[in-house]
Amino acid sequence: SAVISQKPSRDICQRGTSLTIQCQVDSQVTMMFWYRQQPGQSLTLIATANQGSEATYESGFVIDKFPISRPNLTFSTLTVSNMSPEDSSIYLCSVVGQGHPNTEAFFGQGTRLTVV
Amino acid sequence: AQSVAQPEDQVNVAEGNPLTVKCTYSVSGNPYLFWYVQYPNRGLQFLLKYITGDNLVKGSYGFEAEFNKSQTSFHLKKPSALVSDSALYFCAVRPQGGYSSASKIIFGSGTRLSIRP
Repeated sequence: SAVISQKPSRDICQRGTSLTIQCQVDSQVTMMFWYRQQPGQSLTLIATANQGSEATYESGFVIDKFPISRPNLTFSTLTVSNMSPEDSSIYLCSVVGQGHPNTEAFFGQGTRLTVV
Repeated sequence: AQSVAQPEDQVNVAEGNPLTVKCTYSVSGNPYLFWYVQYPNRGLQFLLKYITGDNLVKGSYGFEAEFNKSQTSFHLKKPSALVSDSALYFCAVRPQGGYSSASKIIFGSGTRLSIRP
């Protein structure tokens, strides 16, 4: 299994500002994933972050709004830019076990973001 | 389109009774199937998975799930519910394929399980 640490665990931000969320994994992983969970909703994949290349964004998400860094195999950041109240959500970092596509995903505890 | 359905937003069960949380999927081929649980203010915790083999898989906290290929279902079950099982449960599917597509997980909408004393 993988242990994932996310920071911050929660934050309240002013609209128009940006927040960077950090995700640290205790082992090297090829892919890291960022999800958004809006209030009362399921998880929606924002993007997949590979080390050494640009992140791959899902439909409806763009790099200007959610820039992602992946400087090494154990760390990634997601920035929520120019925030509005609609960005209030839980943001989750995730990794998949290495080497076997049938292994489960592991999640950080999430970052609860409230934009006021 | 590939999808996962959890038809019940909420399931209410009395403590000690059996519980079932339903999940059906629409994915081509033979997908990998998962159940996750989310407690308040926590991330998702893995409960169990079906990859191949026996259709009844056992997982954490006494939960089990039954894979039914003909009905494309993967219902979560527990013989005797506990109040502490109250949480949000997500069914998830990962289609088989190349590494990148194999890593993308599709989540159901979630079912809130409430166990009354």
